[in-house]
Amino acid sequence: QQQVKQSPQSLIVQKGGISIINCAYENTAFDYFPWYQQFPGKGPALLIAIRPDVSEKKEGRFTISFNKSAKQFSLHIMDSQPGDSATYFCAAPLIYNQGGKLIFGQGTELSVKP
Amino acid sequence: DAGVIQSPRHEVTEMGQEVTLRCKPISGHDYLFWYRQTMMRGLELLIYFNNNVPIDDSGMPEDRFSAKMPNASFSTLKIQPSEPRDSAVYFCASSSGTRIGTQYFGPGTRLLVL
Repeated sequence: QQQVKQSPQSLIVQKGGISIINCAYENTAFDYFPWYQQFPGKGPALLIAIRPDVSEKKEGRFTISFNKSAKQFSLHIMDSQPGDSATYFCAAPLIYNQGGKLIFGQGTELSVKP
Repeated sequence: DAGVIQSPRHEVTEMGQEVTLRCKPISGHDYLFWYRQTMMRGLELLIYFNNNVPIDDSGMPEDRFSAKMPNASFSTLKIQPSEPRDSAVYFCASSSGTRIGTQYFGPGTRLLVL
């Protein structure tokens, strides 16, 4: 079974700091690497995504960095805020022609302290 | 758009009882996914459908679990008989084949089997 390995499992950051979450994937045919954000009691929701033809994508305070040769991608949250406290999941499509089936990382529980 | 609708939101039942979880996907979406989330195992894909047809049920834990999608606007996940180890949050998600990798999750059903 192909996996996406995510680290760290939990992260505590002070308000205003930078949160960094890393993911590594195995040999997949990929097209799209999304990150999902989940608040307590809610379902995961798409936060930001990157395609492998670019090395970085930024949306507001959220940035994905992608290293194709290393098969790694990272989520950076700049100026972290208490409202960013949530669980974050990276994901990767297993095989493109399987219709969007995603393999999720194990999740990172982020806590931003005021 | 009402998003993905799941019912019930909470279910408490006794071991051995039948449990039926329900999902209404976003109108126009042709993929539907059932996930289970626990602290120990994270987010697991149980089964997914394309145009109401089951495509991959390799994640269904055992024969006690079954899922159906009789039409494009309704799906059920049934557990019979239920066991305490089935206690988890069950999510339904839907997506469009035109946006591979972007899944929209429902609020989940929190199941507790006593």
